[in-house]
Amino acid sequence: GDSVTQMEGPVTLSEEAFLTINCTYTATGYPSLFWYVQYPGEGLQLLLKATKADDKGSNKGFEATYRKETTSFHLEKGSVQVSDSAVYFCALSEPNDYKLSFGAGTTVTVRA
Amino acid sequence: KAGVTQTPRYLIKTRGQQVTLSCSPISGHRSVSWYQQTPGQGLQFLFEYFSETQRNKGNFPGRFSGRQFSNSRSEMNVSTLELGDSALYLCASSPVVMNTEAFFGQGTRLTVV
Repeated sequence: GDSVTQMEGPVTLSEEAFLTINCTYTATGYPSLFWYVQYPGEGLQLLLKATKADDKGSNKGFEATYRKETTSFHLEKGSVQVSDSAVYFCALSEPNDYKLSFGAGTTVTVRA
Repeated sequence: KAGVTQTPRYLIKTRGQQVTLSCSPISGHRSVSWYQQTPGQGLQFLFEYFSETQRNKGNFPGRFSGRQFSNSRSEMNVSTLELGDSALYLCASSPVVMNTEAFFGQGTRLTVV
C-alpha cells in the first residue's frame, strides 16, 4: 500500500536559518504529492503540491521537487521566520484512490 | 468564498454514547473526506464521499460510519464510543478528487471520558 515517511522531529531553528524536511514515499502508481501545514488549534492548509515527476511546487518561499527516481519530495525554505513555526505533513494521493496518505508530521519551531 | 465548516468544534462524550459530527464543504465541492488525527497514530483516513456515494473507506471498525447528502454536506457517526476514539476529526473537501487539492476544516475535537 501507499506510505509516506517523514523526517523525525522536532526541528528547532533560528530565524533566517535554512529548513529542509525530508519526505520519501511508496506508491503503486503515479501519485500527486503535497505538503500541508498545521498551525496550533487549526486544520491543515495546503502549502504546495506537485502532480508529476520533476514538477516543482512552491509557495511562501517553500519549495519541493517531485523526484520519481528517489521517490522523494523534500521540503525546503531558504530563510525561515518565527511565523513558520508549525507542524508540516507530507502526503500523497493516487489517482482513483480518493484519499490522502500522510506522513507522521514534523514539528518545526523557529526562535527569534 | 466560505471555507470548510465543521460543527461542533468541541465535544465531550461518555464511553458507550454515540456522536454525530457535521461538515459543510466549500460551495461547489462534491468530494468530502474524513480523517482522524491522534498523537499516537497521526492522520488516518476514515472515508470519502462523492455525490452521496462512498468511494473509499479506511481501516476503521464498523462503529464509524458516514454519509453525504444531496447538497454535499456530510456527517460522520461514531457509535459505542471508546476512550481511544478521542481525537481531532478533520473534514476535507475537494472539487472532484483528492489528487488535485483538498481543503480542510478546523476540525472537531472529540473527548471521550
